[in-house]
Amino acid sequence: GEEVAQTPKHLVRGEGQKAKLYCAPIKGHSYVFWYQQVLKNEFKFLISFQNENVFDETGMPKERFSAKCLPNSPCSLEIQATKLEDSAVYFCASSPQSATNENLFFGSGTQLSVL
Amino acid sequence: KQEVTQIPAALSVPEGENLVLNCSFTDSAIYNLQWFRQDPGKGLTSLLLIQSSQREQTSGRLNASLDKSSGRSTLYIAASQPGDSATYLCAVGGDKIIFGKGTRLHILP
Repeated sequence: GEEVAQTPKHLVRGEGQKAKLYCAPIKGHSYVFWYQQVLKNEFKFLISFQNENVFDETGMPKERFSAKCLPNSPCSLEIQATKLEDSAVYFCASSPQSATNENLFFGSGTQLSVL
Repeated sequence: KQEVTQIPAALSVPEGENLVLNCSFTDSAIYNLQWFRQDPGKGLTSLLLIQSSQREQTSGRLNASLDKSSGRSTLYIAASQPGDSATYLCAVGGDKIIFGKGTRLHILP
């Protein structure tokens, strides 16, 4: 597709439940990035992929967060045992050829609310 | 550790005014600097990208400058319009992309 598609738009989970977010990058883009935006504050980098390989995961919380980009499937970000502080908008972005911020295209985000 | 600061956090101006948004960063070793626009409930739209070797970029009513040595960038919006109302984010590209917290801009009709 010609845009980064994120699903669902909204996700509500009780504390301790699992949350799974999906991102379909623009066709032909090799790099995928996940960002977390809490309470409209700054974007926090979580993880990036080059195709199906993790490129940079230094922003990922060591526990409870995991992500995958498998061939012929949307990328996913999964949070096990969600906590209240996980409430945020999670943005996915893709880039055709670079792991830097050139030619970054963002999705509309998934609003995760943990109650 | 790179830190990006945007001032002011929020700004309201009457339609037609020219305005300047500021961005500062602590580590001058950057690849580039980018200004984004975020509308409510939407992702980010790239406005201008300035490479580290450049001093400014222009697109329509927007002009962004970069002074790497002082760690500063400005986004100048000429003849503001109500449709310019949005949050404007500055992002510094290095080993990672580091975002500022943004400036919420409201143009009063």
